[in-house]
Amino acid sequence: ILNVEQSPQSLHVQEGDSTNFTCSFPSSNFYALHWYRWETAKSPEALFVMTLNGDEKKKGRISATLNTKEGYSYLYIKGSQPEDSATYLCAFYAGNNRKLIWGLGTSLAVNP
Amino acid sequence: EAQVTQNPRYLITVTGKKLTVTCSQNMNHEYMSWYRQDPGLGLRQIYYSMNVEVTDKGDVPEGYKVSRKEKRNFPLILESPSPNQTSLYFCASSLWVANNEQFFGPGTRLTVL
Repeated sequence: ILNVEQSPQSLHVQEGDSTNFTCSFPSSNFYALHWYRWETAKSPEALFVMTLNGDEKKKGRISATLNTKEGYSYLYIKGSQPEDSATYLCAFYAGNNRKLIWGLGTSLAVNP
Repeated sequence: EAQVTQNPRYLITVTGKKLTVTCSQNMNHEYMSWYRQDPGLGLRQIYYSMNVEVTDKGDVPEGYKVSRKEKRNFPLILESPSPNQTSLYFCASSLWVANNEQFFGPGTRLTVL
């Protein structure tokens, strides 16, 4: 059974803090790893889709790295702002599957 | 504007009364999918469709039906809704599921009494 785990489950930080969280996935048969941001009362929105080992992607203050050999990805937020408060989801696609396997997410709250 | 639309956004219904939640995308995407989101359980896939007339079960298909007669539409049908189908439902589409981002609809909050 393919399983995607995200840690921590929730996180509270102060405005201006930098933070990071982890997505762990099976290292075999890797094809792609997705990151989404999900604000309360809205729909999930894609941040990154990563396919190559060692890949690093960046969007503003948010960046992500990927290690397919050991099966993890990190999401970093530099200088957190209250508007970064959201649940961050990752999803894994295996080469022999036809669907994304989703983690339960990391809920981030940034206090002003 | 590129988007995924769902209707209705909110629905309260009673056990056993058939209902359909519509989903439409205007991006010519091949892949479409339905999810339900329940507290503590994350996003669970109900059904997905790789292309027109091609649908397949996700992780929690019991009690649901779908159809994909046209590329843009992927309705979710509850033939006989039950209270355990009370949930928040999302439709999503993408060019291809593997390495293309998913675009999500606004969600449908369904309550079955």
